[in-house]
Amino acid sequence: GAGVSQSPSNKVTEKGKDVELRCDPISGHTALYWYRQSLGQGLEFLIYFQGNSAPDKSGLPSDRFSAERTGGSVSTLTIQRTQQEDSAVYLCASSLAARVRETQYFGPGTRLLVL
Amino acid sequence: GNSVTQMEGPVTLSEEAFLTINCTYTATGYPSLFWYVQYPGEGLQLLLKATKADDKGSNKGFEATYRKETTSFHLEKGSVQVSDSAVYFCALSQVEGVRFGAGTRLTVKP
Repeated sequence: GAGVSQSPSNKVTEKGKDVELRCDPISGHTALYWYRQSLGQGLEFLIYFQGNSAPDKSGLPSDRFSAERTGGSVSTLTIQRTQQEDSAVYLCASSLAARVRETQYFGPGTRLLVL
Repeated sequence: GNSVTQMEGPVTLSEEAFLTINCTYTATGYPSLFWYVQYPGEGLQLLLKATKADDKGSNKGFEATYRKETTSFHLEKGSVQVSDSAVYFCALSQVEGVRFGAGTRLTVKP
């Protein structure tokens, strides 16, 4: 079946612009996660959603980052007033539920470059 | 909080050599443990997992055993191939997501 998909695959933007990154989780998965992979920082957790519950935003690096999930499915990660340090690969993952033993399946990522 | 520490790379091996990438963890409770692999230019893929103590995960010739007494989940392969060249991430599960190690880059030369 279809895996996690993300769009765009690559995004180049100018410093100060807003960007939106999209994630389509695996059908039937209620938990959705965003991570960031950058040089020097490795893979870091940003935010997760479980169904329609309020998201856990504890990993968001600043208030310029926000995410929403519509209808318990598709999610959008928005970065406002982008900075060069936001350049990274943004990964989305989904799992059946937000439980300790669940396996997360990752999308291919969106490579963001802020000039 | 939970954390994962894995062997720093890069690791360079000749084809058919034995591979070990060390991974230790700190966690409350009993998380599941994973190895993810990222091939050049590709996304993260689940390589193997173990959900409880003494479980052995295996896939594509790779193995790792969940050792609660040493809080370890070392990745091993008896004979590596050039196609195994990738970055390997040890990880543990939490309700709020997966916590990853820093990653180990493996290069296998013919």
